[in-house]
Amino acid sequence: QKEVEQDPGPLSVPEGAIVSLNCTYSNSAFQYFMWYRQYSRKGPELLMYTYSSGNKEDGRFTAQVDKSSKYISLFIRDSQPSDSATYLCAMSGTTGANNLFFGTGTRLTVIP
Amino acid sequence: DARVTQTPRHKVTEMGQEVTMRCQPILGHNTVFWYRQTMMQGLELLAYFRNRAPLDDSGMPKDRFSAEMPDATLATLKIQPSEPRDSAVYFCASGLGNTGTDTQYFGPGTRLTVL
Repeated sequence: QKEVEQDPGPLSVPEGAIVSLNCTYSNSAFQYFMWYRQYSRKGPELLMYTYSSGNKEDGRFTAQVDKSSKYISLFIRDSQPSDSATYLCAMSGTTGANNLFFGTGTRLTVIP
Repeated sequence: DARVTQTPRHKVTEMGQEVTMRCQPILGHNTVFWYRQTMMQGLELLAYFRNRAPLDDSGMPKDRFSAEMPDATLATLKIQPSEPRDSAVYFCASGLGNTGTDTQYFGPGTRLTVL
């Protein structure tokens, strides 16, 4: 079993829809949770970062962490065609862990 | 606009050949990571360095892969001999090495095809 599980999709939604992306994990030591966005033929770029449990909002994006369920989510409101990309969740623990454990990514297409 | 650079961007080679990929981290960053990305496995950490010293290369097949940092501005990943199963996109990322976690800045990747 992989430490981080993510539905690969693909996911297609109409412009303006609310998008929900999710990951589950097995390692209770994970404390830092991130979402990366990767456009086609590009490297991943950090989109959102959350420490421990709770919500974080940045514009149209909201990241949620539920450590009790080992479940994290990324919500995109009013989705735009420019949001079409692969979204990867990533997480790490507390002890010297600059290495991240990534999900396999969910490919999202927002249709105009 | 500081960014991680990687060369070559694309590489096609035949099985058994040596492949060298290069990465220039962002100036001032002291951690460097090598990842491999495939459709099936996603992003896998191969190795990472802090202050040019290898800290973890447990994700790397030791018999054919090697990673080095000859100086602070250059990281290399070598595969010798290459095999078709090595076909993937290889990403280099760099960061500031902050305690706890660190934003990793990814390069554009090297797309490797081994025939």
